[in-house]
Amino acid sequence: KAGVTQTPRYLIKTRGQQVTLSCSPISGHRSVSWYQQTPGQGLQFLFEYFSETQRNKGNFPGRFSGRQFSNSRSEMNVSTLELGDSALYLCASSLAPGQGNGGYTFGSGTRLTVV
Amino acid sequence: QKEVEQNSGPLSVPEGAIASLNCTYSDRGSQSFFWYRQYSGKSPELIMSIYSNGDKEDGRFTAQLNKASQYVSLLIRDSQPSDSATYLCAVTDSSASKIIFGSGTRLSIRP
Repeated sequence: KAGVTQTPRYLIKTRGQQVTLSCSPISGHRSVSWYQQTPGQGLQFLFEYFSETQRNKGNFPGRFSGRQFSNSRSEMNVSTLELGDSALYLCASSLAPGQGNGGYTFGSGTRLTVV
Repeated sequence: QKEVEQNSGPLSVPEGAIASLNCTYSDRGSQSFFWYRQYSGKSPELIMSIYSNGDKEDGRFTAQLNKASQYVSLLIRDSQPSDSATYLCAVTDSSASKIIFGSGTRLSIRP
C-alpha cells in the first residue's frame, strides 16, 4: 500500500514568488491536512480538506491557500513568498476528517527555502 | 497558554532505563490523543494513540491518559539509542476537526 506522497521534496524560491506543493494521500483516505513545521513554532495547522471542501483553516494569512481534487489529491499554494515561509510543509492523510481514528499518516514533507 | 504543552528537553536517559515524556492540554473536550516520534530530518510517525483514561501498552511503549488532569504521558521501557528522537504529543480539538501538536520533547538515550 503506497504511503502519502508529497512533491517536490525540496524547493528553493525567491521572495515574492509563489509556490505550489502537492500531496497524494493513502489510497482510500479522503482527508488531507497540511502543517507547517519550523524549529521555533513546531507543527502549525494550515488547513484540512475532505471531499474537495476545506473543513478547517489555521491562523495563517490569505497568501496560504489550498484545494483538493476529486481523487483526494491536494495542493497548497503560497503566494508572495516571504523569508519566514521557509519551513518543512507536511501533508497528513487520514480516513476521516480531524478525528484521527488511528491518527494521521504523514508524507515525507516538502522543504521550502525562500531566499 | 499553549493548547498542547510539552517540555522541550533535551531529556537525557541512560540506555536500558525508562524514559518518561509528559504533555498537558487545554481543551477539556479533547477526545483523541496521540504520540508521534520524529527523527531528525524525517516526518512524524505515529507510535501510540489513546482515547480513554488509563494506560495503554504496546511493546516497550505505554501511553497514560488522565482527562481530569488534562494530562497525557508516554513511557518508554528499556530505552534504546534508536529511541533518540523528538516526541510530539498531539490532541484533537473538542470538535474533532483538527489535530493540534505540541512543540515536542527531544529525547536522547545515552549508551
